[in-house]
Amino acid sequence: GQSLEQPSEVTAVEGAIVQINCTYQTSGFYGLSWYQQHDGGAPTFLSYNALDGLEETGRFSSFLSRSDSYGYLLLQELQMKDSASYFCAVRSDTGGFKTIFGAGTRLFVKA
Amino acid sequence: NAGVTQTPKFRVLKTGQSMTLLCAQDMNHEYMYWYRQDPGMGLRLIHYSVGEGTTAKGEVPDGYNVSRLKKQNFLLGLESAAPSQTSVYFCASSPGTNLATDTQYFGPGTRLTVL
Repeated sequence: GQSLEQPSEVTAVEGAIVQINCTYQTSGFYGLSWYQQHDGGAPTFLSYNALDGLEETGRFSSFLSRSDSYGYLLLQELQMKDSASYFCAVRSDTGGFKTIFGAGTRLFVKA
Repeated sequence: NAGVTQTPKFRVLKTGQSMTLLCAQDMNHEYMYWYRQDPGMGLRLIHYSVGEGTTAKGEVPDGYNVSRLKKQNFLLGLESAAPSQTSVYFCASSPGTNLATDTQYFGPGTRLTVL
């Protein structure tokens, strides 16, 4: 089957750096995505890694290691508005070409 | 561009009633998806479509049906609602089988309560 694991909660201080890890088990792996969701809102796309390595988009970076079935989202210069839930998601073609989401990591940013 | 829109935003049903949730996108996307999200949990894929006239089952398809008669619309039906279907339902769309990216655009959600 397919499964993803990520921490349920992370707390960090404003201005700091935080890393949210995601490990996955799946066959037919194509790539790993990250989404942000504020309370009461819809998920919004942050990044996608299909190849090993680091992708940087402003304050956010995402990393993938296909051999380790592992990725992480790195948030730098944390701001209060970064308090939200972050979901990793695996794109695979097992049983059809679709995306499976993890349970999410709730990030609390403190002043 | 409105992006992805969902109708209705809120709905309360009694057990056994039926309803249809409508999703519309104006980005000419090939792929569309229906997810449900329960409190404190991630998104679970109900059904999805890879193009007009096609549908496929996701992780939790039981109790739901879908149709994609037009490329821009994806309908989710509940034939006989049950309390276990109380959830927030999100529709999403994506351009297609571009393996270099997997950007899904989400609608605002429909909050459904089944009594």
